[in-house]
Amino acid sequence: QVVLVESGGGVVQPGRSLRLSCVASGFSFNDYGFHWVRQAPGKGLEWLADIWNDGITKYYGDSVRGRFTISRDNSKDTLYLEMSSLRADDTAVYYCARDDDNVGNALDFWGQGTMVTVSS
Amino acid sequence: SVLTQPPSVSAAAGQKVTISCSGSSSNIPNNYVSWYQQLPGTAPKLLIYDNYKRPSGIPDRFSGSKSGTSAALGITGLQTGDEGDYYCVTWDNSLTAVVFGGGTKLTVL
Repeated sequence: QVVLVESGGGVVQPGRSLRLSCVASGFSFNDYGFHWVRQAPGKGLEWLADIWNDGITKYYGDSVRGRFTISRDNSKDTLYLEMSSLRADDTAVYYCARDDDNVGNALDFWGQGTMVTVSS
Repeated sequence: SVLTQPPSVSAAAGQKVTISCSGSSSNIPNNYVSWYQQLPGTAPKLLIYDNYKRPSGIPDRFSGSKSGTSAALGITGLQTGDEGDYYCVTWDNSLTAVVFGGGTKLTVL
């Protein structure tokens, strides 16, 4: 079955960096695009970035463009989100999700999320 | 949010509810809309894709529609287990970004 497992969250000081990982299993990782989506405490979902299966095409949301970088390692079936210049308002649960063009590029499977807290 | 949803909706168990999602010419009209359900304390789950299609395992109590710059999610035969938050999502051609609605909290009375 399709499984996505995020890791790398924790408490980090403002201005520091953090890298999140999302390990995939149960399907051919190379064939799919992926997204990162976050949810601040008590708030709605916010799209952050996506990366196509070519590993080259990437898009970012305005709130993270220039600070966050999405990447993937097909040899490890792993998606990454490199976050820099972290701010208090980056505090959120971060989800990775699979993008399937068989379902109109909807996000058909999601991980359980990893919590990032930005605090001094 | 680029996509506007009502903050909350409610209806009695067994009844029907509709959640609206209003966008603009740069997003909904020319792109597929998908809908997600997030039950308390869980990750979001795909409910509707391609405007109205349901993934396998999603009951036909859930339906989607789209017209012009708006989309809607319908839920019939409401159950207490349907309580949670619902989000519409699409692509925005001007922003070149995926956009989410602000979410709608469903309460089943």
